[in-house]
Amino acid sequence: KAGVTQTPRYLIKTRGQQVTLSCSPISGHRSVSWYQQTPGQGLQFLFEYFSETQRNKGNFPGRFSGRQFSNSRSEMNVSTLELGDSALYLCASSQDSQQGAFFGQGTRLTVV
Amino acid sequence: AQSVTQPDIHITVSEGASLELRCNYSYGATPYLFWYVQSPGQGLQLLLKYFSGDTLVQGIKGFEAEFKRSQSSFNLRKPSVHWSDAAEYFCAVASGGGADGLTFGKGTHLIIQP
Repeated sequence: KAGVTQTPRYLIKTRGQQVTLSCSPISGHRSVSWYQQTPGQGLQFLFEYFSETQRNKGNFPGRFSGRQFSNSRSEMNVSTLELGDSALYLCASSQDSQQGAFFGQGTRLTVV
Repeated sequence: AQSVTQPDIHITVSEGASLELRCNYSYGATPYLFWYVQSPGQGLQLLLKYFSGDTLVQGIKGFEAEFKRSQSSFNLRKPSVHWSDAAEYFCAVASGGGADGLTFGKGTHLIIQP
């Protein structure tokens, strides 16, 4: 069974631009979560989608948004990029909360 | 709000020696607890999880963890470490529904000495 796939692996964007990251979950997993990882703040929860509905959102500004499609694939979008948005963005999928979340390799976003 | 504390930022262990990584959590009810490992430039790999039942759980790569409710702890152990175990280890807690996402500790960087 294929794991969680995130594309692209690396991105360089200019401050003020917007970016879209993609995540394909493990087949059969309906829950997709997104996390931001930085050296200073560590791993922080962005949001979680289940069956195309956002169930919860972390403490991030409205510039961070996401969506989930009917095939469970998910995208997250960051608008008006700031230098502080440079981070590793991780996507995780799960079948149910008891199985734990399985992570992709992440997208490394650098804002210059 | 739930929180996770990993008191040790770095730990150095000799190859073949035993390992214990500490994790303390704060959560009102019985939490779902996890340990993940991250190699440089990679995503997170699930080592083991605890939800209920036997408080000693076995995971992959020879790791185990023990849930101690009285101490709000979920420490990770391995009897004999290998050089390939060098990585960043994260403890995480989730509420029962899982929809609130995982709350992670800051991580412990494990260094293996030859």
